[in-house]
Amino acid sequence: GAGVSQSPRYKVTKRGQDVALRCDPISGHVSLYWYRQALGQGPEFLTYFNYEAQQDKSGLPNDRFSAERPEGSISTLTIQRTEQRDSAMYRCASSRQSGLTPSYEQYFGPGTRLTVT
Amino acid sequence: AQKITQTQPGMFVQEKEAVTLDCTYDTSDQSYGLFWYKQPSSGEMIFLIYQGSYDEQNATEGRYSLNFQKARKSANLVISASQLGDSAMYFCAMRDRNSGGYQKVTFGTGTKLQVIP
Repeated sequence: GAGVSQSPRYKVTKRGQDVALRCDPISGHVSLYWYRQALGQGPEFLTYFNYEAQQDKSGLPNDRFSAERPEGSISTLTIQRTEQRDSAMYRCASSRQSGLTPSYEQYFGPGTRLTVT
Repeated sequence: AQKITQTQPGMFVQEKEAVTLDCTYDTSDQSYGLFWYKQPSSGEMIFLIYQGSYDEQNATEGRYSLNFQKARKSANLVISASQLGDSAMYFCAMRDRNSGGYQKVTFGTGTKLQVIP
C-alpha cells in the first residue's frame, strides 16, 4: 500500500493485559513516530525512531510503554499491564527524513483505537 | 509554558469567505518547522502546509497560506474561499529540538472549523 498502515484498527482489552500495536510505515521512510491522541485533543508525542534507533522516548508516559523498530521498518508499541487511563487513539506517522531537515512532513496512519475495560 | 497555543476552540465561517486560524509557538531553537494538519470527522490526519523558520516567504499551498510572523512567534493558517469540505479540526504543530538535541513534534489543542452554507 502507499500509506502508513496500523493494526489492529480497534483493540478492546481488559485491565492488566498487555497489548502490542503495530505500525507499517511508508516504504523507504527513515523516521517513524508514535503519538497518543485523546478525544478532542491534539496528538501527544510518545517516541520516534530514525531507522532502527530509538532517538527519543521521553514522551512515553511510564515504563509500561515501550517501542521497537528492529529492522528499521515495522514498529511495535507495547503497553504492559494496561490501565483504563491508557484508552486512547494511538497513531503512527512516518517521514522521509528527520532532524536536520524539518521540512519533511509526517504522513499519519489511521490509528489504533485502544479501549481498556 | 505551552509550546503551541491555539486560542480558538471553535470557529464559524461562511462558505466562500476567508478564515484565519491562529497559532502561536514558543521555542528557543533557531531551526524549527511549523505545520498545519486537518483532521476531518473521519479521523485521518491530513498534512496541509509547512513553514521553515528560515523561510523568508510565507508558505502557500492552493487555498491555504501560512501567515508567518517570526518576531511575534505566530504561524496563522489562512484558508481562502472556504468550502463545506473544509469543516474539520485543524491542528498547528511545531518540530524543534529538545534539550537533548533530539527533534520533537508538538501539537496544539486544535481549532474546530465549521463552514456554513
